[in-house]
Amino acid sequence: AQKITQTQPGMFVQEKEAVTLDCTYDTSDQSYGLFWYKQPSSGEMIFLIYQGSYDEQNATEGRYSLNFQKARKSANLVISASQLGDSAMYFCAMREGGTGGSYIPTFGRGTSLIVHP
Amino acid sequence: EAGVAQSPRYKIIEKRQSVAFWCNPISGHATLYWYQQILGQGPKLLIQFQNNGVVDDSQLPKDRFSAERLKGVDSTLKIQPAKLEDSAVYLCASSPRGAGGTDTQYFGPGTRLTVL
Repeated sequence: AQKITQTQPGMFVQEKEAVTLDCTYDTSDQSYGLFWYKQPSSGEMIFLIYQGSYDEQNATEGRYSLNFQKARKSANLVISASQLGDSAMYFCAMREGGTGGSYIPTFGRGTSLIVHP
Repeated sequence: EAGVAQSPRYKIIEKRQSVAFWCNPISGHATLYWYQQILGQGPKLLIQFQNNGVVDDSQLPKDRFSAERLKGVDSTLKIQPAKLEDSAVYLCASSPRGAGGTDTQYFGPGTRLTVL
């Protein structure tokens, strides 16, 4: 079974509008972390935002916010006031417990976001 | 602060040849990760080091792939012999602790491998 599911292969949004990128996850761990990364066409992976499983408030970082619904196991990324430079691939990732107290990361397949002027 | 360095950036080889990739993590970062990213997919973790010990290598095809992290600093990933399906971008990342929480991974620019 997929640990991270991103059901939207591609999304389009008008500049200055908000967009939500979906992510659901599967884990039996109580302690885990959820991340979103941006990958522009240049290929670098850029960290955007983090949500811990015990965090009660949704994480926010500038124009990025994470809509965390623990019971539904979803961690959607909301980008407000989209900009042309937001056009990129977006990956949802999870860290869950591994052996020896370490945490093992898993990535989803990604969502391609295109921002139209 | 310098970021994660990788070399080479691009490599083209023929199948059955060998290839090696190098990664220098951010100074002081204890954990180093190697990922394989096939076109159109998310990164897949190949191996994770904590200092110079292996934390997880469950998805590393050990019959052809090997990796080492001598002295707990830089790392080398080798493929020998390469197959067509190894064509991908190989990403290296590092994080300060690897112990969970907001232990953010920082990625290098990647090495794009093409196997002909």
